[in-house]
Amino acid sequence: DIQMTQSPSTLSASVGDRVTITCRASQSISSWLAWYQQKPGKAPKLLIYKASSLESGVPSRFSGSGSGTEFTLTISSLQPDDFATYYCQQYNSYSLTFGGGTKVEIK
Amino acid sequence: QVQLVQSGAEVKKPGSSVKVSCKASGGTFSSYTISWVRQAPGQGLEWMGRIIPILGIANYAQKFQGRVTITADKSTSTAYMELSSLRSEDTAVYYCAREGSSSWFDYWGQGTLVTVSS
Repeated sequence: DIQMTQSPSTLSASVGDRVTITCRASQSISSWLAWYQQKPGKAPKLLIYKASSLESGVPSRFSGSGSGTEFTLTISSLQPDDFATYYCQQYNSYSLTFGGGTKVEIK
Repeated sequence: QVQLVQSGAEVKKPGSSVKVSCKASGGTFSSYTISWVRQAPGQGLEWMGRIIPILGIANYAQKFQGRVTITADKSTSTAYMELSSLRSEDTAVYYCAREGSSSWFDYWGQGTLVTVSS
């Protein structure tokens, strides 16, 4: 299986900060990567697919970049609603895998 | 608008089985691919397997091979996930999710908590 490694595992930030989360794949996955946001007790919500395509209805402060083995999710100006856990997911292979998650906390 | 509604919470004994349902509305069920993803308490997301209802074909993560069965009933637009030989480590919230035009997940069920305890 392709292993997905996210960093950091926890991130403390303030409202208005620019936040970057990294996801690394154990082998090349081209651009077959998605990002999700999850809040406590809720199902994950799709933010980004195909590494950089913004899902309909998702605020433009979220952006994704990368290809191959290294990817980033950027929140340009952190808002109170953005404190949550973020997961990357690869869909290059038959067997899908997620990163371990990054919790974005209030500083 | 696609909606996925899952069955309610379950409490099971070790060694038993559980079957969770996921009823879809909106869109064309037969053309979806439905996956199952679980999340143990305080842990990350883990893909278990998927089914393509129009083909009736399922495939599973190697970790769950032999212990999980995913099926779909096109007549009721419902997908099912059955996990057998339950152990305490299977305590988790189980989600169904629709795969978009590639295998990202654009719609999710609300989750079903399965607790395995003696």
